[in-house]
Amino acid sequence: AQSVAQPEDQVNVAEGNPLTVKCTYSVSGNPYLFWYVQYPNRGLQFLLKYITGDNLVKGSYGFEAEFNKSQTSFHLKKPSALVSDSALYFCAVRDIDGGSQGNLIFGKGTKLSVKP
Amino acid sequence: KAGVTQTPRYLIKTRGQQVTLSCSPISGHRSVSWYQQTPGQGLQFLFEYFSETQRNKGNFPGRFSGRQFSNSRSEMNVSTLELGDSALYLCASSPRVRAGVPDTQYFGPGTRLTVL
Repeated sequence: AQSVAQPEDQVNVAEGNPLTVKCTYSVSGNPYLFWYVQYPNRGLQFLLKYITGDNLVKGSYGFEAEFNKSQTSFHLKKPSALVSDSALYFCAVRDIDGGSQGNLIFGKGTKLSVKP
Repeated sequence: KAGVTQTPRYLIKTRGQQVTLSCSPISGHRSVSWYQQTPGQGLQFLFEYFSETQRNKGNFPGRFSGRQFSNSRSEMNVSTLELGDSALYLCASSPRVRAGVPDTQYFGPGTRLTVL
């Protein structure tokens, strides 16, 4: 069965420090991976995606993610965190080759807290 | 381009009632998906519509239904509401121009449904 795991419920970072939000996945077939961010009482905003090509993907607001096939991971990173980055982050996988016909499977989410 | 819009934004109903939620996708997007977000279960896929046809369905009871119109607007209906249906219902649209291509899904702000 397909699944996405975000092992940390919360990540705390000081402003200006680098941040990492972890994600691992388990799918049959090729994984297509996404990161979304959700601010309080808002919908999800797309940050970035990995389909194919370079393992390092750059996205919105200075975020990037590294796809690692051997470790089945897709960690979200940012070199220098801002207080405004504080939000709920979701990793998702869209399985194209399996039997789920491509719907998004989300992780449980990681709350990022950036302190000044 | 205007984003995904959802109406109403907030809704309060009582058990046993039914409710209809509306979603207007980004102009030109033909695929609409619905997700339920709750604190306990996280984000769960409800169904996906493309060209007025339901293409994929998540693991929800038959009380949850939807449809898509010729202009790609979509509605979802929940009948005989239960307390556990209280959630944020998110709609997402994507171009889905080519079958099998993992198009990015863009989310609306959601409808917050409270069942009393």
